Amino acid sequence: KAGVTQTPRYLIKTRGQQVTLSCSPISGHRSVSWYQQTPGQGLQFLFEYFSETQRNKGNFPGRFSGRQFSNSRSEMNVSTLELGDSALYLCASSPGISYNSPLHFGNGTRLTVT
Amino acid sequence: AQTVTQSQPEMSVQEAETVTLSCTYDTSESDYYLFWYKQPPSRQMILVIRQEAYKQQNATENRFSVNFQKAAKSFSLKISDSQLGDAAMYFCAFQTGANNLFFGTGTRLTVIP
Repeated sequence: KAGVTQTPRYLIKTRGQQVTLSCSPISGHRSVSWYQQTPGQGLQFLFEYFSETQRNKGNFPGRFSGRQFSNSRSEMNVSTLELGDSALYLCASSPGISYNSPLHFGNGTRLTVT
Repeated sequence: AQTVTQSQPEMSVQEAETVTLSCTYDTSESDYYLFWYKQPPSRQMILVIRQEAYKQQNATENRFSVNFQKAAKSFSLKISDSQLGDAAMYFCAFQTGANNLFFGTGTRLTVIP
């Protein structure tokens, strides 16, 4: 079974631009979560989608948004990029039926904002 | 507030020896799950071991085991017979009713040949 796939692996953007990251979950998984990892703040939860609906949201500004498609693939968008948005963005999937299934992570997208 | 504390930023262990990584957490929830994840240079977070808070028996997964002390809110990871491939960042995390994880700041483990 293929794992969680995130594209692209690396991204360089300029302040003020917007960016879209993509995540394909493990086949059959309906929940997709996004995390931001930075040296200063560590790993922080962004949001979770289940069956195309945002089910849970972390404490991030509205510039961070996401969506999930009917095939469970998810995209995360960041608008008006700031230098502080430079981070590793990790996507994780789980079956999602119960809240206690372990999360399976992808290799992440490294975003650099200049 | 939900918090996870890993007080050891770095640890090292000789190959084939045993090492214990510490983790404490704070939550007002009574039902939760605890995890240890490892993150090698490949960046992928890999699940090492999982513990249900309602279970008194400590979880074990091959060379990895935990010491779960619910009253003390402590959840340490023991790695036995350490191997070079165990070198990575290790994150302690817990999960409550919602499907999101609260992570600690991580412990970088170095394995010395």
